[in-house]
Amino acid sequence: DAGVIQSPRHEVTEMGQEVTLRCKPISGHDYLFWYRQTMMRGLELLIYFNNNVPIDDSGMPEDRFSAKMPNASFSTLKIQPSEPRDSAVYFCASSGPGTTNEQYFGPGTRLTVT
Amino acid sequence: RKEVEQDPGPFNVPEGATVAFNCTYSNSASQSFFWYRQDCRKEPKLLMSVYSSGNEDGRFTAQLNRASQYISLLIRDSKLSDSATYLCVVNVAKAAGNKLTFGGGTRVLVKP
Repeated sequence: DAGVIQSPRHEVTEMGQEVTLRCKPISGHDYLFWYRQTMMRGLELLIYFNNNVPIDDSGMPEDRFSAKMPNASFSTLKIQPSEPRDSAVYFCASSGPGTTNEQYFGPGTRLTVT
Repeated sequence: RKEVEQDPGPFNVPEGATVAFNCTYSNSASQSFFWYRQDCRKEPKLLMSVYSSGNEDGRFTAQLNRASQYISLLIRDSKLSDSATYLCVVNVAKAAGNKLTFGGGTRVLVKP
């Protein structure tokens, strides 16, 4: 079975550009999470969805970040405009059905903003 | 104070030895506990859940102490492949949205 799929795996962009990260959760999972990991701050939850509905976006750093989940098999995290401090590894994870425990992570997108 | 705290390590462990480390959590309402493992430049993966009575999975033993609000992980007969960062994870409560809160991780290096 396919796990969580993320694209791109690596992204290098210049400050001010728009960045879109993509995620396909495991089929049948009803929870989807977006995390950011840095050496300084560790793994931080940005936002999560249940049945395609955003439940908690309190971890989204600022208005430059937005996330959508138009259907059960696809989600995006967008940063516009990007800044060097956004450089991190962004993980998508999914879980379920009906539980936020036992999350399965995608391989991550390594974002570098120059 | 961080919600979930871990000693970052590294714990340098001779191959075949036993290593143990703890994690403390601040919210007494925490309901579910886990250990995840993260290899260098890879994604976190669930290692094991932690049950109130303690549980064992092969060479790995997890314990929960609710009174003192900590969980522990013990690895017996360490293998080179056990080298990784071990993340302590807590699910606080439904009222808090059932979110998982990750500790900063404890790095373990098993050496020949």
